[in-house]
Amino acid sequence: GQNIDQPTEMTATEGAIVQINCTYQTSGFNGLFWYQQHAGEAPTFLSYNVLDGLEEKGRFSSFLSRSKGYSYLLLKELQMKDSASYLCAVRGRRTTSGTYKYIFGTGTRLKVLA
Amino acid sequence: DADVTQTPRNRITKTGKRIMLECSQTKGHDRMYWYRQDPGLGLRLIYYSFDVKDINKGEISDGYSVSRQAQAKFSLSLESAIPNQTALYFCATSDPWQQETQYFGPGTRLLVL
Repeated sequence: GQNIDQPTEMTATEGAIVQINCTYQTSGFNGLFWYQQHAGEAPTFLSYNVLDGLEEKGRFSSFLSRSKGYSYLLLKELQMKDSASYLCAVRGRRTTSGTYKYIFGTGTRLKVLA
Repeated sequence: DADVTQTPRNRITKTGKRIMLECSQTKGHDRMYWYRQDPGLGLRLIYYSFDVKDINKGEISDGYSVSRQAQAKFSLSLESAIPNQTALYFCATSDPWQQETQYFGPGTRLLVL
């Protein structure tokens, strides 16, 4: 089967660092995405990893280990506005119609406390 | 102006009614998608389209139909709405040269009574 696991909820303090983990089991792998979604709003793209290692983008970094089926999103210097859900998504195998099968995790709801 | 827009933003309807959700985009992307989001279930793909002549079923297409009227427009219809279609619906676009990153519209919150 295909599955993505992420913690349901996390809490952290303003100014701190938080790591959100994602493990996946998919048929085929063609990249892993992280999206941010504020309550009642659309998901917005944060990062993309297709090779092992760390991708850094300002306060946000994303890590991938393909052999372990594992990724994490690291948020530094947390701000109140970072309170949101963080969705892990895997682009899996290519389908017969030419697109890639996207699998989304259920998201991790992060609460940043003052 | 938003690149991907959806109308209506909120809709309440009754069981058995036909409704249409509309999506427009100015990103110039050929690929468009319809997802629904339910608490605890994540985003699930309903239909997708690679161009005006291409329509493909996603993982949960039963009870839904779509129409791609133009490159910029992709509509989702519920022929006979039922309560378990109550959900948050998102339209998205992508560009194969950008790793198929999904660009989402603001969403339509649908309640079926």
